[in-house]
Parts: sequence; C-alpha cells; structure tokens
Amino acid sequence: DGGITQSPKYLFRKEGQNVTLSCEQNLNHDAMYWYRQDPGQGLRLIYYSQIVNDFQKGDIAEGYSVSREKKESFPLTVTSAQKNPTAFYLCASSIGGPPGEQFFGPGTRLTVL
Amino acid sequence: QKEVEQNSGPLSVPEGAIASLNCTYSDRGSQSFFWYRQYSGKSPELIMFIYSNGDKEDGRFTAQLNKASQYVSLLIRDSQPSDSATYLCAVKGPGSARQLTFGSGTQLTVLP
Repeated sequence: DGGITQSPKYLFRKEGQNVTLSCEQNLNHDAMYWYRQDPGQGLRLIYYSQIVNDFQKGDIAEGYSVSREKKESFPLTVTSAQKNPTAFYLCASSIGGPPGEQFFGPGTRLTVL
Repeated sequence: QKEVEQNSGPLSVPEGAIASLNCTYSDRGSQSFFWYRQYSGKSPELIMFIYSNGDKEDGRFTAQLNKASQYVSLLIRDSQPSDSATYLCAVKGPGSARQLTFGSGTQLTVLP
C-alpha cells in the first residue's frame, strides 16, 4: 500500500535532549513537508523539501533541523534550542505540479517531560 | 503576509441538515484551495480541492469558490454524526513552491 509513515507515534523528550522524528513515503512524491500543530490551532510549516539534497525553512524553523538524503525520507530533528517543542508533528508529501494537494502521515505527538 | 481565516466555531447542526463552512484568504494571487477534515487526535485528510470560480461537487460535499470576494466555502449535505470533526481550509499561493497556508479550522458537531 502506498502511503506516508511516521514514527514513533508518541515521543517523550527530556529537557536538553535532541530527538529525531521519522517520515517515510512510498508515493514517489517529489516534495515533502513538516508541520507543527498546537491545540486548537492550524498547521504551521517548519521545513519543506522539493528535491533530494535541498530544503527550505518554513515559518517556524528555529530549533529544528532536517535532511533529505533520499527521495523517500525526510527526518526532522527537534533540538534543545526549541524551547516549547510539545506539539503534534505532521509530515506531508505532494506530487509535482498543480493543484498542489498534500497528503499527510499519521503524525507524531511529542511531549517534553 | 498571506492569511487564511476561518470561523473557529464550534458549529453545531442537526443530523440531516446542511453544514456550511467558510474561509477567506488575503492573497489575491492564490491559485488552489483545499478542504481537509481532521478527526480529534488524527492527521488531516483531503476532502476536495477547487481552483476555478464556481461550485465543485463530490458526493455530499460541495466546494464553492469566489475569487473576486476571496472566499471559499464547503457545504456538507445530509450531515451525519460521522462528519463531526475539524475542517481545515488551505490555500496555495502563486509561485509558492507548492506550499500551503492553513487556516486554524472550524470545529463541526453534527447532533443525532
């Protein structure tokens, strides 16, 4: 089955730790995205990548880092510099060209202890 | 700065009624418009998209776009309790490298 997988589903981080969230897709999509969602709010873009080995900052990139070494994979690292990382993290992908619809993975819920 | 605005709700409708969800956007150059449904604790799922003025129907869902008024809406006919969710409006602007800007969502409750 084609789709987007994210792991882990739940993640707990201690203060000062870096953690990495996994996102894999087998849809052969060129573009991949990371969003953060806080309770009662919409999605805010952290990073996005249109092609392998290239990525751009979104609206709230501070305290996060990404890599895109393979078309299928777009991991997100939440660093200790991110002061309020507790949130629901969503990975999405899209095929090239219009209209630009994005498809989402199941999400990772990160909690700072 | 691009903005997408939705009434946060909650919006309650009785089962079988028409639910109307609204979204306005600030970037006149926006090209495509998307509606996502998000159940509590789950990720968003795409319901439908529209990019031409007018109506687009898909089953019980109708998206309506008015670019002159910078307004897009989603109508849900014969609403069911299973339609209870948060509905997110998303907009793709011109030359935005396939990025979407999301509204904060409208929470819909369909009462049995």
